[in-house]
Amino acid sequence: QQQVKQSPQSLIVQKGGISIINCAYENTAFDYFPWYQQFPGKGPALLIAIRPDVSEKKEGRFTISFNKSAKQFSLHIMDSQPGDSATYFCAARTQTGANNLFFGTGTRLTVIP
Amino acid sequence: DTGVSQDPRHKITKRGQNVTFRCDPISEHNRLYWYRQTLGQGPEFLTYFQNEAQLEKSRLLSDRFSAERPKGSFSTLEIQRTEQGDSAMYLCASSFPRAGDSPLHFGNGTRLTVT
Repeated sequence: QQQVKQSPQSLIVQKGGISIINCAYENTAFDYFPWYQQFPGKGPALLIAIRPDVSEKKEGRFTISFNKSAKQFSLHIMDSQPGDSATYFCAARTQTGANNLFFGTGTRLTVIP
Repeated sequence: DTGVSQDPRHKITKRGQNVTFRCDPISEHNRLYWYRQTLGQGPEFLTYFQNEAQLEKSRLLSDRFSAERPKGSFSTLEIQRTEQGDSAMYLCASSFPRAGDSPLHFGNGTRLTVT
């Protein structure tokens, strides 16, 4: 059972456009929601993360929007660049136990020059 | 480089053989995790260590898999009697023990191909 559902599976955006990736979860015990960026042949790298007590977090061109009541969160990449072309994973973690991450299935983003 | 290091980067083995992977975490990190990632999927949790203690194992970790972290530093993941379904990227990650502000830092993984 997929604990975190991610869409779309793939996304093509023109350079300068906005990329939007959505995720949804069911487990209300999740309290930390990171986004990871992964390039081919590399491990995932933390991009930005949010806690459910805030509705939005912005770091440079990357913004997470969080809707606690809907149990949804999304990543917005403003002014998308060809160098942003990668696979993006949302994830969720609980405070207790192993604190391991539950990942979405990933979105392959392609930014066309 | 002070990141998480994994060795080897690639491993090709024949079905039925045993393989062992190594992970060197970031030195200040007490927690070490193993994940498995198959093509087109997100990483899936396998197991984790707090120092040398293995505290949790996923149901994905069959009895052919064993992980160790003997001195609380590096870790090894061994797969015995490999099967074609074991072909995947095996990722190691480490973090501080404080859950609140301790993101997982991943290595670049070991890609296993079982022929």
